Amino acid sequence: DTEVTQTPKHLVMGMTNKKSLKCEQHMGHRAMYWYKQKAKKPPELMFVYSYEKLSINESVPSRFSPECPNSSLLNLHLHALQPEDSALYLCASSQDWGPTNTEAFFGQGTRLTVV
Amino acid sequence: AQKITQTQPGMFVQEKEAVTLDCTYDTSDQSYGLFWYKQPSSGEMIFLIYQGSYDEQNATEGRYSLNFQKARKSANLVISASQLGDSAMYFCAMREVSYNTDKLIFGTGTRLQVFP
Repeated sequence: DTEVTQTPKHLVMGMTNKKSLKCEQHMGHRAMYWYKQKAKKPPELMFVYSYEKLSINESVPSRFSPECPNSSLLNLHLHALQPEDSALYLCASSQDWGPTNTEAFFGQGTRLTVV
Repeated sequence: AQKITQTQPGMFVQEKEAVTLDCTYDTSDQSYGLFWYKQPSSGEMIFLIYQGSYDEQNATEGRYSLNFQKARKSANLVISASQLGDSAMYFCAMREVSYNTDKLIFGTGTRLQVFP
């Protein structure tokens, strides 16, 4: 099973709302990632968790708050977003931090629209 | 820093024909890997194939094969016997790893359209 599950698939939220994106994997992977993908662009890394600890924050604004409750789950809490934050948010997992020969598996993404 | 270049914004291919999607890369590392992902309009990034820098043979996975030319720093994806379901965005990527980063570096992608 090489599945990464993301919910919801679509989300529309106002600028004053608080919402959360969820990601789940049951492959025993120890590294989990959030990527942001704007229309017609490649994905860009936001956060990396390794062994449930936040390892990398790519200078993401604090209105995005990641959380890793356990080794299978990854959340992205959203608060006071701006319309320019509208994008596809992709979760990914990999067996471990670091090996350059190990693929990352992605979820279907959450299409977020901020109004 | 690593860099991936995909120079074909869009490609058309007729069903059952083969198509090659180009990818060149730049890295100073001796050991590295190259990945190809497919992204349909649904959004999911689907892993297709991997090639390691020390692999002696070109990678193959079903209808996908990788034409790896190390000296030219190219890793082109070949899709044989194209199907309508192959219509999607295709990204070439490398994994950049150091003490303070672990991320996939993607090219700008190639949109493939398969027509009957």
